[in-house]
Order: sequence, then structure tokens, then C-alpha cells
Amino acid sequence: KNQVEQSPQSLIILEGKNCTLQCNYTVSPFSNLRWYKQDTGRGPVSLTIMTFSENTKSNGRYTATLDADTKQSSLHITASQLSDSASYICVVTPGGSYIPTFGRGTSLIVHP
Amino acid sequence: DAGVIQSPRHEVTEMGQEVTLRCKPISGHNSLFWYRQTMMRGLELLIYFNNNVPIDDSGMPEDRFSAKMPNASFSTLKIQPSEPRDSAVYFCASSSHSGTAYTEAFFGQGTRLTVV
Repeated sequence: KNQVEQSPQSLIILEGKNCTLQCNYTVSPFSNLRWYKQDTGRGPVSLTIMTFSENTKSNGRYTATLDADTKQSSLHITASQLSDSASYICVVTPGGSYIPTFGRGTSLIVHP
Repeated sequence: DAGVIQSPRHEVTEMGQEVTLRCKPISGHNSLFWYRQTMMRGLELLIYFNNNVPIDDSGMPEDRFSAKMPNASFSTLKIQPSEPRDSAVYFCASSSHSGTAYTEAFFGQGTRLTVV
């Protein structure tokens, strides 16, 4: 069964600090992995997408990594800001499919 | 483009009533998805349309749920009769599909449904 597990479930950090969120998946065959940011009361917004051949992708202060061999991904946030407070969702799509598998998300709170 | 537009943003209804959620996808997108999000289960795909045709509705919980896409610019998700366990945030998303390649899915702001 395709699964996406995220950790930690929740995280509280101080403004300006860095943090790393983890995503492990069992989806096979693999097509792509996305990280979404979901602000409270809003729909998810894509931060990065990586295919099998990519192992790093950056979007401003967000850097995603992918290890397709171990089926792990991480999202690193540098110099966190209050606006980074949100839920971060890892989504993996199988090859040749339109049906993604969603992780439960990591809830990040950035305190001043 | 204004993005994916969903209405209403909030809906409170009594158990047993019919509820209709509406979605206008991004112009030019040929794929539309309805999702449900709850604290317990996270995001779940309910149904997927491609070129206005339902391709996969295996995620629809039961016969009380139905979805239509009469044209490329409008879709509805209907629950009849509604039950308290249907309370959730319902998202509509659209994307472009060409062959086996899928572009990013853009989500609407969601409809928060509360069934009392």
C-alpha cells in the first residue's frame, strides 16, 4: 500500500532559526514528490517538486532534498519567519498515475 | 487568472439536508480534483475528472456523495443526505494533463462544511 509518513507531527521554533521536516514514502513506482505549504484556512500551495533524477530543489529559503534509494525527502527552512507558520505536506505521485498519496503534514509554529 | 474559485467558503447545515459545493477551475486546465481534509485523515482524494469526464471516483465515501462537471468551467460536489461525519474542509483543485505528465495542481481556498 502506498504510504507517506511525515515527522515530526508538530514543531515549534523561534524566529530566525532553521528547521528540517522529514518525509518517508513507500509509493512505487515513483514519479514525483512535492512539498506543499498550507496556511490556516487556505488551500495547499506547492513549494517544490522533484522527480526521480533530482536530489535537491530550492525555492527561496526552502530547500527540499530527495533520496530515491532510501525513499526519503526533507524540507529545510532557513532563517525562519513568522509567516512560515503553517502545515507542510509531503505528496508523492506514482509513475503513470494522477492519484497522489498525501502525508498527514507537519504543523510548524514560528514564535517571535 | 483568479485561481480556483470555490463557493461557499463556509456552510453550516442540519443533518439530513442536501449540500452542494461549487468549483470553478482555472481556465485552460483539463483536470479537476475534489479533496476532503479532516484532522483525523488529512487530505483524501474523492474524485478526479479529466476533460469533464469522471475518471476515478473510488474515493467517494458512499452513495450519498455525487459529483458532476457539466462543462470545463464548473463542477459540483453534492452530499444528500448530509451527516455530521461529513463535516470537513472540501477542496477543489485543477491542473493540466498531457499524456502522462501532470502539471502542478492549484487548490481553491476550500469550503468548510459543518453538519449539525
